[in-house]
Amino acid sequence: QQQVRQSPQSLTVWEGETAILNCSYEDSTFNYFPWYQQFPGEGPALLISISSVSDKKEDGRFTIFFNKREKKLSLHITDSQPGDSATYFCAGDNNNRIFFGDGTQLVVKP
Amino acid sequence: DAGVTQTPRHEVAEKGQTIILKCEPVSGHNDLFWYRQTKIQGLELLSYFRSKSLMEDGGAFKDRFKAEMLNSSFSTLKIQPTEPKDSAVYLCASSLRGRQDTQYFGPGTRLLVL
Repeated sequence: QQQVRQSPQSLTVWEGETAILNCSYEDSTFNYFPWYQQFPGEGPALLISISSVSDKKEDGRFTIFFNKREKKLSLHITDSQPGDSATYFCAGDNNNRIFFGDGTQLVVKP
Repeated sequence: DAGVTQTPRHEVAEKGQTIILKCEPVSGHNDLFWYRQTKIQGLELLSYFRSKSLMEDGGAFKDRFKAEMLNSSFSTLKIQPTEPKDSAVYLCASSLRGRQDTQYFGPGTRLLVL
């Protein structure tokens, strides 16, 4: 059973639009949810993270919305830029193990 | 501070060969992870060390994959013997003790097995 699921698998938006990437999870003991950004030819890099006691975390154009009751979270990228084109991984961490989703490939068209 | 270093960046092997991938974690990090990344399977955990002790060995990868952490600043992943299905990107990551949510990844080694 996959612990962390992401949708959509791929997403294309126009420059300036808001991209919304979705994530859901199974393990109710997850207490941290990091999002990683990966560009081609590079390893993933931590982008933004939220703890399970918060319902929102904002960092510039990137915002995580967290719904603990529904076990869902989403990453909103406002004013999307072509440089945001990358694969985004959602993950869940229960202090014992981290589980990654399969990623959403985002393309931002100029 | 230097990030996670991985060598080589690219490796081509013949089926049946032994290959060794290398990783230097961020200085001061206690936890080290090896992952395999493919488009189909995504990120798969191969091994996890805490302070040089093997915490998890990735189950299904036990038979031909062996990760070692010889000291706190160097780790290797040996694949023996290689098979074409091992073609993938192998990523090494490190973190402060217990902070798996904040991992620093290396650039990866892209392995092609012919």
